[in-house]
Amino acid sequence: QSALTQPASVSGSPGQSITFSCTGISSDVGVDNYVSWYQQHPGKAPKLVIYDVSNRPSGVSKRFSGSKSGNTASLTISGLQAEDAAVYYCSSYADNSPHVFGGGTKVTVL
Amino acid sequence: QVQLQQSGPGLVKPSQTLSLTCAISGDSVSSDRAAWTWIRQSPSRGLEWLGRTYYRSTTSRWYHDYAVSVESRITINPDTSKNQFSLQLKSVTPEDTAVYYCARTIDDSSGFDYWGQGTLVNVSS
Repeated sequence: QSALTQPASVSGSPGQSITFSCTGISSDVGVDNYVSWYQQHPGKAPKLVIYDVSNRPSGVSKRFSGSKSGNTASLTISGLQAEDAAVYYCSSYADNSPHVFGGGTKVTVL
Repeated sequence: QVQLQQSGPGLVKPSQTLSLTCAISGDSVSSDRAAWTWIRQSPSRGLEWLGRTYYRSTTSRWYHDYAVSVESRITINPDTSKNQFSLQLKSVTPEDTAVYYCARTIDDSSGFDYWGQGTLVNVSS
């Protein structure tokens, strides 16, 4: 059972925007700005797309954006493209671990 | 460009020790800015942070943090002569079957910015 709660799946049409959540508690997601997001394609290692809640690593598309309110972080993908189809994981600091992960959200591009 | 290259056996017998190595290029295992981590992924447990090692020159010390779930069985060691770090997980059971990744964080950021290619380790007799 994952420490952070994510919806199992989200879908959207090409060009649309989608947003999905990562819910924790006050002692993990709610603490500071220590949330990151990863994109994982089948058979590949996760790829960092957002760190420290809303920062994009160099080379990551501006279509990816992150935010946080209270104990819930969110990832938005705008202008959805076929290549965005993947599983997305959030991660946060927690009381008993520097890093805990969500269960993942499968993004389907219709 | 940082690259992490993992090596180690893909099959380990129950009760034995799982050993993996992560060779670093483009950075140093002794970097004052980085932390070097092992993460695993399985269908039953999802992504699971296992532990990390890092060096800080202000104290001239190596630090290690381990997940509570494995802390009695795990060791992560740096090897400065080979610029790599290793994972040892003792007394493995089939529940330790997973894809194991090494990864880096930098400047106390929340994100793992570089990952190894992953190693599928099966625990089976």
